[in-house]
Amino acid sequence: EVQLVESGGGLVQPGGSLRLSCAASGFTFSNYWVTWVRQAPGKGLEWVANIKQDGREKYYVDSVKGRFTISRDNAKNSLSLQMNSLRADDTAVYYCARVYGGKGGVFDYWGQGTLVTVSS
Amino acid sequence: DIQMTQSPSTLSASVGDRVSITCRASQSIDDWLAWYQQKPGKAPKLLIYKTSILGGGVPPRFSGGGSGTEFTLTISGLQPDDFATYYCQQYNTYSQKFGQGTKVEIK
Repeated sequence: EVQLVESGGGLVQPGGSLRLSCAASGFTFSNYWVTWVRQAPGKGLEWVANIKQDGREKYYVDSVKGRFTISRDNAKNSLSLQMNSLRADDTAVYYCARVYGGKGGVFDYWGQGTLVTVSS
Repeated sequence: DIQMTQSPSTLSASVGDRVSITCRASQSIDDWLAWYQQKPGKAPKLLIYKTSILGGGVPPRFSGGGSGTEFTLTISGLQPDDFATYYCQQYNTYSQKFGQGTKVEIK
C-alpha cells in the first residue's frame, strides 16, 4: 500500500525557518518525481515544488523561489522541504504527493498533510 | 505561466442531478488535464487524468472531456458522497497549477 506521511509542521514566527519531511513507503520511491502542494486555510490548492527522481531537476512556484528548497533522500525514501524567511501567507497545510504519468505528471497519492502556521 | 480558471465557484445541486464544471487554460495544454475531489479536512483524491481517464476506483458517473484550453467535468446522477470541492490541474508543464476550485453543495 502506497503511503506518504508528512511531519515537521508547527508554529513559527515570521522570518523563521521550518523543515518538513515526508516518509514514503509501499512503492519504489526512487522511480518517481515527488511534489509539495499547500492549502491555506479556507483556500484552494497551490502547487509548491517538484523534484525529479535523481534530485537534479527541481521546480518551484514563483512565490517560494529563493526561500524554499525541495530535496530527497532515496536511500531513506524521504522527501523534504526546507522553508526559510517564512511569511504569514505561507500559513497552510502542506501535502506531499507522488507524481505519476506523462508530461509534468499528476498527483496520484497524497499524504494527510502537516499544518504550518506563521505568526508572531 | 499557464493559468487555470474554473467555473462556477459554487454549484448547488440535488441528489440525482447531472452537473458540469468548466475549466479553462490560458493557453493550450493539449489533453494534459486532471481533476481532483477534496472533502473537508482530507487530502485531495485524483479523479480523472489525461482529460478523460478515470482514476482507480472512481465510479463511472464521473466523466471528463475537452481539449486545448476548455475542459469539463461531468457528474451524471449526483450522489451524497459527491458533495465536495473539485479542482482542475494542468500538467502540460512541470508547474502543475490548479484551478481555484468548485464547491458542489446540496441544494
